[in-house]
Amino acid sequence: GQQLNQSPQSMFIQEGEDVSMNCTSSSIFNTWLWYKQDPGEGPVLLIALYKAGELTSNGRLTAQFGITRKDSFLNISASIPSDVGIYFCAGYTGTASKLTFGTGTRLQVTL
Amino acid sequence: EAGVAQSPRYKIIEKRQSVAFWCNPISGHATLYWYQQILGQGPKLLIQFQNNGVVDDSQLPKDRFSAERLKGVDSTLKIQPAKLEDSAVYLCASSLDRVNTGELFFGEGSRLTVL
Repeated sequence: GQQLNQSPQSMFIQEGEDVSMNCTSSSIFNTWLWYKQDPGEGPVLLIALYKAGELTSNGRLTAQFGITRKDSFLNISASIPSDVGIYFCAGYTGTASKLTFGTGTRLQVTL
Repeated sequence: EAGVAQSPRYKIIEKRQSVAFWCNPISGHATLYWYQQILGQGPKLLIQFQNNGVVDDSQLPKDRFSAERLKGVDSTLKIQPAKLEDSAVYLCASSLDRVNTGELFFGEGSRLTVL
């Protein structure tokens, strides 16, 4: 099946620092999405990207849909303790109506 | 608006026993998904329903897993008999899908431990 590889696998940062993570695929996607999962909860959608090259912001989050349609990145500015969690990228192929998740990036924020 | 409801939250069984998980999607959401999330991994799609029809069950181990959505609303996922490697969180999600966007709403999940 399709594989989405995320890097880094985990990050330990200090409060106030900026964070950058990315996701690469062997396949092309029509839509890229970023989800966050808190412990004991299901993933929650953070941001969605619908066009190659698109750059979208949602508060302190900024994400980009790669030109090749095979990658995406997520930036978090001025991190705060509640940013702690696992961040998953997901690629969506509209024709198959199928959402494929990445391997996840675990973020830890220290005070 | 009520979210996706799942039960039970936790279940511990022995291998070769059976287990069932229930999901009630957000009202009006036509598409329902069951994902399996093994510890340390991303969610993996098991089955996808559009109303009460199966859209994709290519990753469902059909020798032991079954799922139904008889009236196009709530759904049940069953495992019989369970194996040790079935220990995971089973996530249910739903989407509106007026336009295919990949925007899913997830429940809290049902954590299964097989001993």
